Order: sequence, then structure tokens, then C-alpha cells
Amino acid sequence: DAGVIQSPRHEVTEMGQEVTLRCKPISGHDYLFWYRQTMMRGLELLIYFNNNVPIDDSGMPEDRFSAKMPNASFSTLKIQPSEPRDSAVYFCASNRRGQPQHFGDGTRLSIL
Amino acid sequence: AQSVTQPDIHITVSEGASLELRCNYSYGATPYLFWYVQSPGQGLQLLLKYFSGDTLVQGIKGFEAEFKRSQSSFNLRKPSVHWSDAAEYFCAVGMTTDSWGKLQFGAGTQVVVTP
Repeated sequence: DAGVIQSPRHEVTEMGQEVTLRCKPISGHDYLFWYRQTMMRGLELLIYFNNNVPIDDSGMPEDRFSAKMPNASFSTLKIQPSEPRDSAVYFCASNRRGQPQHFGDGTRLSIL
Repeated sequence: AQSVTQPDIHITVSEGASLELRCNYSYGATPYLFWYVQSPGQGLQLLLKYFSGDTLVQGIKGFEAEFKRSQSSFNLRKPSVHWSDAAEYFCAVGMTTDSWGKLQFGAGTQVVVTP
């Protein structure tokens, strides 16, 4: 079975540009999570969805960040406008209720 | 406040030696407990999980962990490490009463394996 698929794997862009990260969860999983990992703050949960509905977005750092899940097989995390402090590795994870989360390989984002 | 502590930021161990990574948590009830491993440039891979039942759980790659309620701990062990075990290890805790699947991660322990 395919795992959680994230794209792109690497993104380098200039400050002020819009960045869109994409995630395809494992088929049949009804929870989807977005995390951010940095050296300073470790692994932080940004937002998670259940059955495509956002449940908890308290970890989203500010209004520049937004996430959507238009259907069960696709989610996006958007940053607009991007800033250098947004540089991090962003992970998507998914699971079924009662089961552990499966992580994608992440998107390494660098904002210049 | 809920918290997960991994006291050791960095551990160096010789190949073939035993390894123990510590994890302590602070939660109001019995949590669900996980250990994940992250190799450079990769996502997190589940090593093992504790939901209920036997407090000694076996995982992949020869790892095991023991849940000790009295000590609020879930330490990870491996009797003989291999060079391929060099990675970062994360303990994670979740609560079923707190919307399924929402996890709190520890800061991680970096494991270096020497020849």
C-alpha cells in the first residue's frame, strides 16, 4: 500500500511568495494531521482534520497559514505571504480512529 | 499541563551494546503511548505502541518498551544496537478523551552508534 504522499519534497522560495504544500493521505484514513518540525520548537501540530472537517487549528501560527481538505484524498497547507521564519520541515500524517499515525516524508521548506 | 519529556537530548552507544531511551509523561489519565524513529531526511516511522493490556510491548527492529504507570514512564530498549539504529527517536502521547489521534511529542533523543 502507498503511504502518505507529500509534495513537493523540497521548496525554496523568496519571502513574500505564496507556498502551497500538498498531502495525499492513506486511503481509508479519516484523520489527517499537519505538523511543523524545527530545531528550536521540535515537532508541532498545526491542524488536524476528521472526515475532511478541521477539528483543531489552535496550532496554526497565524493568519498567514491556512489548510484545506476538499476531499478524503487530498489536503493543502498554504502560507501567504511566506516569511523566513516559516522555514521548516512540514509533515503530513494520517490514521484511522484507534490506530497510530502514519507520516509522510515531509516537505523541506526554505524561505529566503 | 500535559507534557512529554525525553530527558536525554543525545546518546552515544557502541554497536552491540544495549540502549535505553527514557520517556516520561504528565497526563490526567492513562494515555496511549508511542515511539517513533526518524532517520535523516525521512518522516517518522512507528516503532511500537501501547494502548492497553500487557505493559511490555514489542516493536519492529528488535525494540521493546515498558509502560510503568507508577512512574509515568514508557522507556524504549534494545538489547544490542546496530549501526543502522542511529537516528532520532520520539516518544509521543495521546489521549482518547482528547479527540482521537491528537498527539504530543517529546523533544526527541538523537542516538549515535559508534563502531
